[in-house]
Amino acid sequence: DAKTTQPPSMDCAEGRAANLPCNHSTISGNEYVYWYRQIHSQGPQYIIHGLKNNETNEMASLIITEDRKSSTLILPHATLRDTAVYYCIVRVGPEGGGKLIFGQGTELSVKP
Amino acid sequence: KAGVTQTPRYLIKTRGQQVTLSCSPISGHRSVSWYQQTPGQGLQFLFEYFSETQRNKGNFPGRFSGRQFSNSRSEMNVSTLELGDSALYLCASSLSALNTEAFFGQGTRLTVV
Repeated sequence: DAKTTQPPSMDCAEGRAANLPCNHSTISGNEYVYWYRQIHSQGPQYIIHGLKNNETNEMASLIITEDRKSSTLILPHATLRDTAVYYCIVRVGPEGGGKLIFGQGTELSVKP
Repeated sequence: KAGVTQTPRYLIKTRGQQVTLSCSPISGHRSVSWYQQTPGQGLQFLFEYFSETQRNKGNFPGRFSGRQFSNSRSEMNVSTLELGDSALYLCASSLSALNTEAFFGQGTRLTVV
């Protein structure tokens, strides 16, 4: 079973920041938080991942709380092309291999 | 560089038949994972291969099998197809089996009639 809880849907105005929350209260010390998104009928796309420090790349920022029980994915300036289902995944360290356990995700709708 | 390639993109099969799907990972990637996506169950992990060995297996019946070749290309096979096997089958490749990002293909849409 997925170890994360996300709201089923969210709306965001184009040009504004989209903040997508994720709860992972049972996360273990060696587990990473990964974010993927899936645009309709395409394969999921990797966005970002982190262990305990905040991370930023060209797509998004990941803020992980100090107790690591929750995180927020931030898309700083959402565009219509960011409309997708966003998945927050807790993934074990190297011993977990490539297995990803997807939950139901958050369906983000970016509106003009 | 080329992404993950899955063939065929679309497939229609009849109940009871078998099907083989193919996945060519990104060049240099040695880990390949397979997922099934249906409207009811979402994205579910099938299995993962690394250096021709199955490392992880999801909770699917034995009708679902896979293999990986020495060039890292992978195939998955479903025998005795059932209507419920209709799904989008996705393949993902990673540089290694360690904690790196996975890159997904566009998937194979299988319809069982």
